[in-house]
Amino acid sequence: GENVEQHPSTLSVQEGDSAVIKCTYSDSASNYFPWYKQELGKRPQLIIDIRSNVGEKKDQRIAVTLNKTAKHFSLHITETQPEDSAVYFCAAPDFDSNYQLIWGAGTKLIIKP
Amino acid sequence: GAGVSQSPSNKVTEKGKDVELRCDPISGHTALYWYRQSLGQGLEFLIYFQGNSAPDKSGLPSDRFSAERTGGSVSTLTIQRTQQEDSAVYLCASSPSGSGSSYEQYFGPGTRLTVT
Repeated sequence: GENVEQHPSTLSVQEGDSAVIKCTYSDSASNYFPWYKQELGKRPQLIIDIRSNVGEKKDQRIAVTLNKTAKHFSLHITETQPEDSAVYFCAAPDFDSNYQLIWGAGTKLIIKP
Repeated sequence: GAGVSQSPSNKVTEKGKDVELRCDPISGHTALYWYRQSLGQGLEFLIYFQGNSAPDKSGLPSDRFSAERTGGSVSTLTIQRTQQEDSAVYLCASSPSGSGSSYEQYFGPGTRLTVT
C-alpha cells in the first residue's frame, strides 16, 4: 500500500518570505497529489492538487511541483501572509485499498509578523 | 449546494456511555470517510465506505467503534463504552468517487467529543 511522509512537522517563516513543504510517496502508480489546508478550529479544505501528467501547477501565490522519478511533491507558498498560518496536509491515493487517500502527518506553518 | 454536515457539533458524555455521531454527505457522493483528529494531531483514518463494497474498517481502534451507512447516504459512527482517550474531533468526508478521476474529499465541520 501507499505510504506518505511529510516534512517538516513545523515551519516558521517571516511574513513575506517563501515556505516550502515536502512530501514523499511510495507507490509509483500514484497519479493524484492534493494539498489541504486546515485553519485552527476549521475543517481541512483542498487548496491545490496535481496529477501525474504535469510537473507543476500554480494558483496565485501557491504552487505544487511533482518529481515522479524521485516520488516526491512539494507545496510552495510565496509572499507569505498571516492568513497562511495553518496546518497543511498532503495525500496520495492507495490503489490497494480502493483509492482512499493516504495522508501525511501535517505541517504547522507559522507566519511571523 | 449543501456541503457535508455533521451532528452534533459538540458532544460531552460521561465515561462508559455510548455515543452516536452522524454524517450527511454531499448528495451523490459514493465514498464516505470517518477520521479522528486529536488536539494538534493529524488525520487518523477510521473507516471508509465506497458504494456497495464492503467497508474498509482497518482504522477502527477497537471493537467499541462501529459505523454504518444506510442507503448509501447518511452514516453513523457509534462509540460504545466511551473512554477518556476517545476525546477528539471526529471528521467525516465524502468524495464523488473512490476511483477514477476524482479523489477530492469534502470535509464536514466535525463533531467535538469530550468524555468526562
